[in-house]
Parts: sequence; C-alpha cells; structure tokens
Amino acid sequence: GEDVEQSLFLSVREGDSSVINCTYTDSSSTYLYWYKQEPGAGLQLLTYIFSNMDMKQDQRLTVLLNKKDKHLSLRIADTQTGDSAIYFCAESAFSGGYNKLIFGAGTRLAVHP
Amino acid sequence: ETGVTQTPRHLVMGMTNKKSLKCEQHLGHNAMYWYKQSAKKPLELMFVYSLEERVENNSVPSRFSPECPNSSHLFLHLHTLQPEDSALYLCASSQETGWGAYNEQFFGPGTRLTVL
Repeated sequence: GEDVEQSLFLSVREGDSSVINCTYTDSSSTYLYWYKQEPGAGLQLLTYIFSNMDMKQDQRLTVLLNKKDKHLSLRIADTQTGDSAIYFCAESAFSGGYNKLIFGAGTRLAVHP
Repeated sequence: ETGVTQTPRHLVMGMTNKKSLKCEQHLGHNAMYWYKQSAKKPLELMFVYSLEERVENNSVPSRFSPECPNSSHLFLHLHTLQPEDSALYLCASSQETGWGAYNEQFFGPGTRLTVL
C-alpha cells in the first residue's frame, strides 16, 4: 500500500543546516514533494523532485532522492527562525483514474538562537 | 482574490447544528480536495472531486456531505457532528492531467472547526 513516514520533530540552532528525512513505499511515484505549513496557514509547496533525478538544489534547499531505498530528504542550509514550521513529505499516486498525494505526518522544525 | 480561499476561517458549533464550509479556487483547476488535519491524524484525505465528479470518498462518515456545484467551488456540509470532529479542514485544488503528471496541490488557509 501507499505510506509515507517521517520523524515528528527536529530542533536546530539558527545558522546550522537542517535535514528532514522521509521514506515512502510507492516505487511508481513520478514526483515527490515537500510542503511547508506555517502556524495558522495551509500547506504551501516548497519544492519537488522528479523520480529520475537524484538531487535538486534551489537556493538554500537541497532535495536528495534515493529510489533504491525509497528515501527522500530535504536539507535547509543556514536555517533561520522563519524556517520554523511543519514540513510534509508527499508521494504521488494514481488510482481510480486520477492523481492524488499521500502525505507523511509532518516534521515540526524548531529553530532556536 | 487569488489562489484558494476558505470561509469561514473559524467555526464553533454545537452537536445539533448544521453548518457549511466553503472553498473557492481562482486558479482554473479541475480537481478539488477536502482534507482533515488534527493532532491524532495529521493529514487525512476526505473527498476528491475531479471535473465536478466525486472520485473518492475516503470512508468519511455521512455527517460530512460534500458538494461541488462547479469547478471553482467546493462545499462541505456538516450536521450532527461529534467533538472528535474538531480539527482544521483544508481545501486544495490542482490541475488533473492524467497518470504520472505533475500534481501540485494548492491549499487554502483552512477552517478551524470546534464542535462543542
């Protein structure tokens, strides 16, 4: 079945790098996504990676994909207090004739001075 | 208005009340979703509409009734809810384009529902 797992909490010091890890089960997922949810808000797409890529870099964000181990990670360089939020990993799935996203439980990132 | 909007942002209701949540998307998308987010189960997919047709009902109790009158609007009608239904209800939309396609979902800010 489809399942996405991620650790629930991460605490880092301001200026350090943050690494949030995720494992997924659907090997046919063509895209994998990282969403960010700030307090009192909905989810917002942070970045995504196509399944034939190993790495994607976008400014302070680096996504690494290991398809063999079905492992996805998000690295945030020079973490700032504004990065404090919940980060959701999601895999794409196609069933019943339409696409849907399977989300992990979310990792709460706390950035402290 | 741009993106996905939801009203009301906050709702308090008794167990015997009937209320409705509204979602509107201004992105020209053809698929819309309702999610429930609570502390116990962080993000649960409830309903999916594709081209105004309901394509998924994820074992949701009948006290939740969705309605999609057109591709821009989605409602969630609520009646005789339970306290455990208190949660953040999120609406999202996307452009449905078939198997394996890029499927970014755009989320609204959510409705914080409290059932007394």
